[in-house]
Amino acid sequence: DTAVSQTPKYLVTQMGNDKSIKCEQNLGHDTMYWYKQDSKKFLKIMFSYNNKELIINETVPNRFSPKSPDKAHLNLHINSLELGDSAVYFCASSQTSGRVIQYFGAGTRLSVL
Amino acid sequence: AQKVTQAQTEISVVEKEDVTLDCVYETRDTTYYLFWYKQPPSGELVFLIRRNSFDEQNEISGRYSWNFQKSTSSFNFTITASQVVDSAVYFCALLNTGGFKTIFGAGTRLFVKA
Repeated sequence: DTAVSQTPKYLVTQMGNDKSIKCEQNLGHDTMYWYKQDSKKFLKIMFSYNNKELIINETVPNRFSPKSPDKAHLNLHINSLELGDSAVYFCASSQTSGRVIQYFGAGTRLSVL
Repeated sequence: AQKVTQAQTEISVVEKEDVTLDCVYETRDTTYYLFWYKQPPSGELVFLIRRNSFDEQNEISGRYSWNFQKSTSSFNFTITASQVVDSAVYFCALLNTGGFKTIFGAGTRLFVKA
């Protein structure tokens, strides 16, 4: 049973479209994250949610809108996709007290044409 | 400000060689966590180790060992007798206690040739 699962694994779309990526964790963690990994492998946090509340928004354009319907889910919706949005997006989760280790999903490779 | 520096962009070794990946961090906090993650060619991010700032004991796990030195703000990772399967990008990361933001280094790409 996958601990952090995100779908889809690949997403190819045209500029200007809107798309969503879903993430679910079954670890019982209270915090979830979205990261963007660019073509040079640099990993940067985008958002962090704790108990469904937005904690961190790292100056991400407001075309990106995360939604956390419950503690186990954190979805990412992207409006008006641009070429520069092409990247791998990782979802992660952790428990803020205790082990604090972040566990990552397998990633979603987004290609904007 | 928090920062993680992995100065080695790429390292290439021949199988069975030992290799050390360097990580230097900056933080003003006295309590924090350090991590190493592995990203193999398949793309997933695999947790390797967590170390908290109060525990400076070195750790060994099989062929992997970690050297944490607070005095030099370093958390280096050594692979002994490297294998082709060790080929991956390795990330060092820093999290302040009570924080929700993990800062990752730029990663070191390790090539292990047969």
